[in-house]
Amino acid sequence: EVQLVESGGGLVQPGRSLRLSCAASGFTFDDYAMHWVRQAPGKGLEWVSGISWNSGSIGYADSVKGRFTTSRDNAKNSLYLQMNSLRAEDTALYYCAKVRGSVSSFRAFDIWGQGTMVTVSS
Amino acid sequence: EIVLTQSPGTLSLSPGERATLSCRASQSVSSSYLGWYQQKPGQAPRLLIYGASSRATGIPDRFSGSGSGTDFTLTISRLEPEDFAVYYCQQYGSSPFTFGPGTKVDIK
Repeated sequence: EVQLVESGGGLVQPGRSLRLSCAASGFTFDDYAMHWVRQAPGKGLEWVSGISWNSGSIGYADSVKGRFTTSRDNAKNSLYLQMNSLRAEDTALYYCAKVRGSVSSFRAFDIWGQGTMVTVSS
Repeated sequence: EIVLTQSPGTLSLSPGERATLSCRASQSVSSSYLGWYQQKPGQAPRLLIYGASSRATGIPDRFSGSGSGTDFTLTISRLEPEDFAVYYCQQYGSSPFTFGPGTKVDIK
């Protein structure tokens, strides 16, 4: 079964850091680009970042550029999101998602995890 | 950045009725890199349509997508009880990838 499982969320103070992980199983991880998408409570979906299969191409939303870093370890079938200088507006459920059928990031997101909640508050 | 606008914000319909959801882009979406997702409360989004008009694996044929350039449509031909949800369009043709604000389809 194709599965993505996020972890690492929690309550963190403003200005602090947090690292999210996404464990992939059931497919050949290094054949696919991956993305992070977040959803603030009661709000819509916001794309955060995407990474190509070999980490050669990484993109970020303007709202997180310079603060968040996406990486992957294909040997461990894992995707990561390092979040620094966290703000209250970063509070959201963070999903990882696999692209449909390509090493390129420019594809629809066909498999999603269940998300991990990040709350930034003092 | 390509801004997506969805209309209406809420669509109130009865089971069996036809639903027509609109997504408009602030500039042309390259190669029709436009997708539609369904999200139910407490669940992750599910891909319905990719490439503007191709159904994702396992998606019933009552869901169809159309459009190109800046105007796209998701049509649900006959609403089933499980179709009442929020629907998002997304463009993935240029970074930053963007989602529309969503259309909620609720029971009339």
